[in-house]
Amino acid sequence: QSALTQPASVSGSPGQSITISCTGTRSDVGGFNFVSWYQQHPGKAPKLMIFDVTYRPSGISSRFSGSKSGNTASLTIAGLQAEDEADYYCSSYRNSSSLGVFGTGTTVTVL
Amino acid sequence: QVQLLESGGGVVQPGTSLRLSCAASGFTFSNFGMHWVRQAPGKGLEWLSTIWYDGSKKFYADSVKGRFSVSRDNSENTMSLEMNSLRPDDTAMYYCARDPSLEWLPDVWGQGILVTVSS
Repeated sequence: QSALTQPASVSGSPGQSITISCTGTRSDVGGFNFVSWYQQHPGKAPKLMIFDVTYRPSGISSRFSGSKSGNTASLTIAGLQAEDEADYYCSSYRNSSSLGVFGTGTTVTVL
Repeated sequence: QVQLLESGGGVVQPGTSLRLSCAASGFTFSNFGMHWVRQAPGKGLEWLSTIWYDGSKKFYADSVKGRFSVSRDNSENTMSLEMNSLRPDDTAMYYCARDPSLEWLPDVWGQGILVTVSS
């Protein structure tokens, strides 16, 4: 049950936009629109930022957006702010003996 | 407000058992599926188990299948994870999360509870 693949780290300056990729297979990311993204600050629980590929929960800034192409989903953070510095995880429904899978995680650094 | 609170963690020896609980409040528990997810120190998130809103279906990751068992009591608004034959690599922060869908949408998470397996 391998994890989805994310870059280990992404960085950007305040105000810039960054994109985090999340690569899976046709059995998960590519086969279903059940991709979600989580933000996790040190010592805190994960927080849902995007669900069903493109939707933002109530209260999440419009600076966060999601998309998908083939087996790769992406999270874009526009107008990067210091508070965006955190770990980000993608996750997806998986059509197999398991139900869900998380990505390897990406550390976002605001320069 | 919506809240999930894990309990039951601690330090245990390899080969022993432990039961985690997740207490829900602020929402209609019986309308939501529930997940257990763990995070080993300095590592990423790992999905462990899911139980449907009515308890009729349960799913497990290969890493815990046959050792861990999930259950829920909708009358008490609680979910449990019975963990047997614990190993040092089960050491992690364990989170419960709710899911409004029948597919995959863990939306609200608890604060987590630490389980340490060590001799």
